[in-house]
Amino acid sequence: DVKVTQSSRYLVKRTGEKVFLECVQDMDHENMFWYRQDPGLGLRLIYFSYDVKMKEKGDIPEGYSVSREKKERFSLILESASTNQTSMYLCATGDYSKNIQYFGAGTRLSVL
Amino acid sequence: DQQVKQNSPSLSVQEGRISILNCDYTNSMFDYFLWYKKYPAEGPTFLISISSIKDKNEDGRFTVFLNKSAKHLSLHIVPSQPGDSAVYFCAASAVNYGQNFVFGPGTRLSVLP
Repeated sequence: DVKVTQSSRYLVKRTGEKVFLECVQDMDHENMFWYRQDPGLGLRLIYFSYDVKMKEKGDIPEGYSVSREKKERFSLILESASTNQTSMYLCATGDYSKNIQYFGAGTRLSVL
Repeated sequence: DQQVKQNSPSLSVQEGRISILNCDYTNSMFDYFLWYKKYPAEGPTFLISISSIKDKNEDGRFTVFLNKSAKHLSLHIVPSQPGDSAVYFCAASAVNYGQNFVFGPGTRLSVLP
């Protein structure tokens, strides 16, 4: 079974704080993704990575950065959290051979 | 502008009846489509997919139909069960997108006992 683990289920942060969301996968997949889910908007891609040290912007990268120092770990960084970044954040890993993405349970972030 | 649309935010169906969830897309380059199911407090889980070379794919109670000319796909669940109550996301991809998927806004299905 593919396991995608997000370090926190719930986080509450203050405006202006630097926030780290961690994601670890155990399936040796090359591809990893960060999404945010908002009501009525579905899942929107923030950043993705197809290899270690590699990162590409998704559809809504503004206000975010990422780090992929090891294959199994993909971190999302909010440099200076703002209230409009209150959302559900979902990490996914991609099985290229099956063309499926597997998701973690999500981190619900509230920025006050 | 959303490239993948699910125009029904919610749907209620009686247990045992058919559930039909619809999805429309605008990008004619999309050639691979998926449905994901999401329960509250969990991540989305893969349900079923279809390639554009097919017009139907079936897996147990779940069938996906693709109408390329109409840029429309639908997910049929027969018979519907209370455990099917969840949010369903349609997603699409293209060869030149790599493994990036474009997701629709989701439809919340409620199956009533």
